Amino acid sequence: EPEVTQTPSHQVTQMGQEVILRCVPISNHLYFYWYRQILGQKVEFLVSFYNNEISEKSEIFDDQFSVERPDGSNFTLKIRSTKLEDSAMYFCASSLTSGVTYEQYFGPGTRLTVT
Amino acid sequence: AQSVAQPEDQVNVAEGNPLTVKCTYSVSGNPYLFWYVQYPNRGLQFLLKYITGDNLVKGSYGFEAEFNKSQTSFHLKKPSALVSDSALYFCAVRESSGAGSYQLTFGKGTKLSVIP
Repeated sequence: EPEVTQTPSHQVTQMGQEVILRCVPISNHLYFYWYRQILGQKVEFLVSFYNNEISEKSEIFDDQFSVERPDGSNFTLKIRSTKLEDSAMYFCASSLTSGVTYEQYFGPGTRLTVT
Repeated sequence: AQSVAQPEDQVNVAEGNPLTVKCTYSVSGNPYLFWYVQYPNRGLQFLLKYITGDNLVKGSYGFEAEFNKSQTSFHLKKPSALVSDSALYFCAVRESSGAGSYQLTFGKGTKLSVIP
């Protein structure tokens, strides 16, 4: 069964550094998403992406965040200058369509630790 | 704004017994409801969904969930638990009236432990 993959599984960075989290969505999917989960808290929506542009973003997704689909397979989340509070598990997801009955398929996550 | 509550952080059940993982939701319109499961070091795996129609929906691995509009609940159930069902379970909601809204809102998750 096709899966969403994410690299790295764990990223440790110093405050103020830039990080790029990578995702390979399921190959025929058209909609891509990032979510995050701070330890002990809920999974929170960050952003959705379709046709090379952001479709929707949450309040969390401020100017420090950006997303890109640099080629036909990868989908990246960049945090420009990391803060301690960015430490979380980041999940990438993809879906075939945006139709109301869609399911989003999630990757295993990247644990980001900002020190 | 939509929200999901999973009132139990952990549920313990003996193997072979029925299990229930609770979820309640709040949306301003009609909900689309989902259950996902997460095994260690794996992503969130889709289990089942309620869109419309029968209140009892069946999903993967013998799981089912019952939609109750009056109680705004969508509890996950299984008649006979297996040790391999031990995992983290997430309930999620998407509001149907949010045109162009793609985001899922998740609960905090419930850790299910099935005891042999």
